[in-house]
Amino acid sequence: EAQVTQNPRYLITVTGKKLTVTCSQNMNHEYMSWYRQDPGLGLRQIYYSMNVEVTDKGDVPEGYKVSRKEKRNFPLILESPSPNQTSLYFCASSRDGFNQPQHFGDGTRLSIL
Amino acid sequence: SQELEQSPQSLIVQEGKNLTINCTSSKTLYGLYWYKQKYGEGLIFLMMLQKGGEEKSHEKITAKLDEKKQQSSLHITASQPSHAGIYLCGAGSNSGYALNFGKGTSLLVTP
Repeated sequence: EAQVTQNPRYLITVTGKKLTVTCSQNMNHEYMSWYRQDPGLGLRQIYYSMNVEVTDKGDVPEGYKVSRKEKRNFPLILESPSPNQTSLYFCASSRDGFNQPQHFGDGTRLSIL
Repeated sequence: SQELEQSPQSLIVQEGKNLTINCTSSKTLYGLYWYKQKYGEGLIFLMMLQKGGEEKSHEKITAKLDEKKQQSSLHITASQPSHAGIYLCGAGSNSGYALNFGKGTSLLVTP
């Protein structure tokens, strides 16, 4: 089954403790992306990757890092999480990124105390 | 980045009624996507529109993109409780890689 898998689905942690949210897709897609969704602000793009070793900033990249060492995986790294990064995070992928519909994971709800 | 305005923000309709959600951009839309999100869950792709004047339908949902490619509408005919959720429009940039979304329209369908 074609899917985008995020882990963990839920996480409660404390300020400053480094964390990684993993994202994996099994569709051999070149394009992957991370979003955060907040009430009143909607869905905002954090980072995206057009291919292995190629990444670029979205609208809200501050406080986040990403890497794309292999095609299927695109982890989101919070080096020093802060409470303002409490949010619902989504990973997505598409075939080649250029005006293609994206497939979304089920989301990761992060709470940073 | 491209701003997408969705209206209305929320909508409560009685089962069986028709409804329309709008998505407007100040810039030309290069690929307009409609997604549906169940509360707290992932986004499900509904339709993509690329050409001015394009119209697509799936079951009871019809999406249109105007000739100027700056406005899209999503129309649901004879709404059902299964249509409830948040509808989001998204648009690609002229480079195609960055994707922006509207803030969503929350739909509730009452019996």
